[in-house]
Amino acid sequence: GAVVSQHPSWVICKSGTSVKIECRSLDFQATTMFWYRQFPKQSLMLMATSNEGSKATYEQGVEKDKFLINHASLTLSTLTVTSAHPEDSSFYICSATSGNIQPHGYNEQFFGPGTRLTVL
Amino acid sequence: GESVGLHLPTLSVQEGDNSIINCAYSNSASDYFIWYKQESGKGPQFIIDIRSNMDKRQGQRVTVLLNKTVKHLSLQIAATQPGDSAVYFCAETPGLETGANNLFFGTGTRLTVIP
Repeated sequence: GAVVSQHPSWVICKSGTSVKIECRSLDFQATTMFWYRQFPKQSLMLMATSNEGSKATYEQGVEKDKFLINHASLTLSTLTVTSAHPEDSSFYICSATSGNIQPHGYNEQFFGPGTRLTVL
Repeated sequence: GESVGLHLPTLSVQEGDNSIINCAYSNSASDYFIWYKQESGKGPQFIIDIRSNMDKRQGQRVTVLLNKTVKHLSLQIAATQPGDSAVYFCAETPGLETGANNLFFGTGTRLTVIP
């Protein structure tokens, strides 16, 4: 259980185009989804948090008009990289939480397999 | 923001030996810690967790130690196997009492197991 998928797994696009990445919770309803970016040989950096049906909360330094996040249903969140440029090339990872709080109080995040974006 | 870092960026061990991966954190209010394993081209995989009211937790072949005095976390892998080769991240979430679930990741350590 608790499987999260991402589509596509990799994408190559031309500079200036927009790319949409999907994150789906396959066997649970995700009340909250998180989007991370990971540059080569670096750690995961949280970009934004989205709750179903409401606007995403972006981390400091992340342009909300550049990275559009939509969480329209309890099983799907999308990240659209608008007017992509080579510096946007990265590994984008989503995670999802079900809202079931564990005994220790933490709401476990289940991670997707990631999407490799390359902008030419 | 919170800062979670690692002492060693790379670690090579012989198959069968024990591995120790270290992590330092700066936020004394950090409440909950998780170790993740990430294989190349994949998302992070949960290994083990520990809450701040504990100093040790054991899983299958893995043990996490937490020293709150010096704000240090370690992951011990017993009898390391080639399949353990990956990048390991510690992550922390501050303030469970506030309901915050955001994760802050450390820089990662690449573990290479030599057959």
